[in-house]
Amino acid sequence: AQSVTQLDSHVSVSEGTPVLLRCNYSSSYSPSLFWYVQHPNKGLQLLLKYTSAATLVKGINGFEAEFKKSETSFHLTKPSAHMSDAAEYFCVVSDQKQAGTALIFGKGTTLSVSS
Amino acid sequence: NAGVMQNPRHLVRRRGQEARLRCSPMKGHSHVYWYRQLPEEGLKFMVYLQKENIIDESGMPKERFSAEFPKEGPSILRIQQVVRGDSAAYFCASSPNSETQYFGPGTRLLVL
Repeated sequence: AQSVTQLDSHVSVSEGTPVLLRCNYSSSYSPSLFWYVQHPNKGLQLLLKYTSAATLVKGINGFEAEFKKSETSFHLTKPSAHMSDAAEYFCVVSDQKQAGTALIFGKGTTLSVSS
Repeated sequence: NAGVMQNPRHLVRRRGQEARLRCSPMKGHSHVYWYRQLPEEGLKFMVYLQKENIIDESGMPKERFSAEFPKEGPSILRIQQVVRGDSAAYFCASSPNSETQYFGPGTRLLVL
């Protein structure tokens, strides 16, 4: 069975400082991993995805994530936070072996950015 | 290429009424997924459909909920005899190849 754990429900940073949102996953097979962002009352936007190619994945808006199989982690980082990054972030896993399977979402991490 | 479209964006129903949520996938996408987001929680999978077929409905409540994706027209998520616990945001996602899913803006259902 697959699952994903977002280790922090809320992260607060100052504008211009680094962002780290932590995620651990559990999967029986080779997983596909994603980060989605949700701004208030909006839909979800795909930030980046990992599908067994390079372990360091670059996404949109300066975000990147590193797949570490030994640690079963897929943490999301950004070198310098911007006010517009304030949103809810979801770490997501799916089973790559079985195409078309549902996405399994973490509970989300709320990122607050102060000036 | 327009994104995934959902309507209505907001829907208010009284207990016992029916709710119909519509989802138009991105052009060329034949895979549609429905998810529900309860307050303060992540999204939970409900159902996965391809044109005219339900592929996986393991996340659908056994009663009152149904989904379809006809040959022509949008996918419909139907909730009969709504109850207050059905209040949530319902998101539709589409995919061209059952890999990356692209989400719509969601329908926020409020049951009074």
